Amino acid sequence: DQQVKQNSPSLSVQEGRISILNCDYTNSMFDYFLWYKKYPAEGPTFLISISSIKDKNEDGRFTVFLNKSAKHLSLHIVPSQPGDSAVYFCAASGTSGSRLTFGEGTQLTVNP
Amino acid sequence: GAVVSQHPSWVICKSGTSVKIECRSLDFQATTMFWYRQFPKQSLMLMATSNEGSKATYEQGVEKDKFLINHASLTLSTLTVTSAHPEDSSFYICSARIQGWGDQPQHFGDGTRLSIL
Repeated sequence: DQQVKQNSPSLSVQEGRISILNCDYTNSMFDYFLWYKKYPAEGPTFLISISSIKDKNEDGRFTVFLNKSAKHLSLHIVPSQPGDSAVYFCAASGTSGSRLTFGEGTQLTVNP
Repeated sequence: GAVVSQHPSWVICKSGTSVKIECRSLDFQATTMFWYRQFPKQSLMLMATSNEGSKATYEQGVEKDKFLINHASLTLSTLTVTSAHPEDSSFYICSARIQGWGDQPQHFGDGTRLSIL
């Protein structure tokens, strides 16, 4: 039972344009959501998070949007840069300190 | 930012060998650490939650006698893969979270690539 799903295994965008990565979840008990970036043979690097009491959180080029009624969150990267090319995982937990459930990941490729 | 160090980064060994992986929080204390496993082109799957001073909590389907976890201090957790076999070959990653008020993300080590011949 995949409680966190990233339906797009890959995304390709042009440098300077917006990248939008999507994530859906099924467990209504999730109330803390995170995005991680991962390069091959490295651990995930934390990017940005959002609590369920918010619908938007912004940090520089990265913005996460949360739609609780739709059980959907998205990560916007603008402008996209070639160095952003990596696998992006969304993750969710019931409380901020508890176990994370990860999506399958989306490979983002930003073309120069 | 918070740093989690994992060692070794790569292990190749013969079937039947036991392998120990260390996870350290370098600039903060972590009463809880997490161990994940990732197979190629798949997501990270939580194996167990490591609790300082007490027994680890294992996820369903994870053999606790196979994957021994010790969390003896606030900055160190170890995962020992006992009598490893080729099917245990995977990428093992640990994480830790800074204790404190409010939402705090888990920070990950760089992982250990385990190859069992």
